[in-house]
Amino acid sequence: EPEVTQTPSHQVTQMGQEVILRCVPISNHLYFYWYRQILGQKVEFLVSFYNNEISEKSEIFDDQFSVERPDGSNFTLKIRSTKLEDSAMYFCASSAKGVRETQYFGPGTRLLVL
Amino acid sequence: SQKIEQNSEALNIQEGKTATLTCNYTNYSPAYLQWYRQDPGRGPVFLLLIRENEKEKRKERLKVTFDTTLKQSLFHITASQPADSATYLCALGKDSARQLTFGSGTQLTVLP
Repeated sequence: EPEVTQTPSHQVTQMGQEVILRCVPISNHLYFYWYRQILGQKVEFLVSFYNNEISEKSEIFDDQFSVERPDGSNFTLKIRSTKLEDSAMYFCASSAKGVRETQYFGPGTRLLVL
Repeated sequence: SQKIEQNSEALNIQEGKTATLTCNYTNYSPAYLQWYRQDPGRGPVFLLLIRENEKEKRKERLKVTFDTTLKQSLFHITASQPADSATYLCALGKDSARQLTFGSGTQLTVLP
């Protein structure tokens, strides 16, 4: 069964450093998302992406964040200058055209900012 | 502001019984509601979707109901098994938007 994959599974970085989280969505999906989950809290929406552009973003997704689909398979989330409060689990998700409500999540990248 | 509440943080039941989880929402008019399962340190796994014009959906041992008047969804797992132990999340969505808004989850433990 096709799955969303994410790399790395864990990342530790120093405050102020840039990080790039990578995702490979399910191959025939057209809608892509990033969510985050701070330890013990809710899953929170960050951004959705369709047709090579951002379609929605939350208040969390400020100028420090950016997303990119550099090729036909990868979808990345970049945090330019990490803060301590960016420490969280970051989930990529994708959904198919015609069934876009159903989002399939990857296993997540655990980001720890020191 | 919109609010989604799941009935309790933790629910313990005996194996073989039916688990019933509740999701209530306020200040929101979702077009659909979804239930996901999340295991520790893992991503949410889609289980069921129900639309606003549907009353009930079933999939194997799972059943979900959606009452837009009460602004509530109930999620049932019949003949529960220890392997059903996980956190269950409800998530609401609108056709006009792509984001899902999640509840905080209910941690279900099925005791053998």
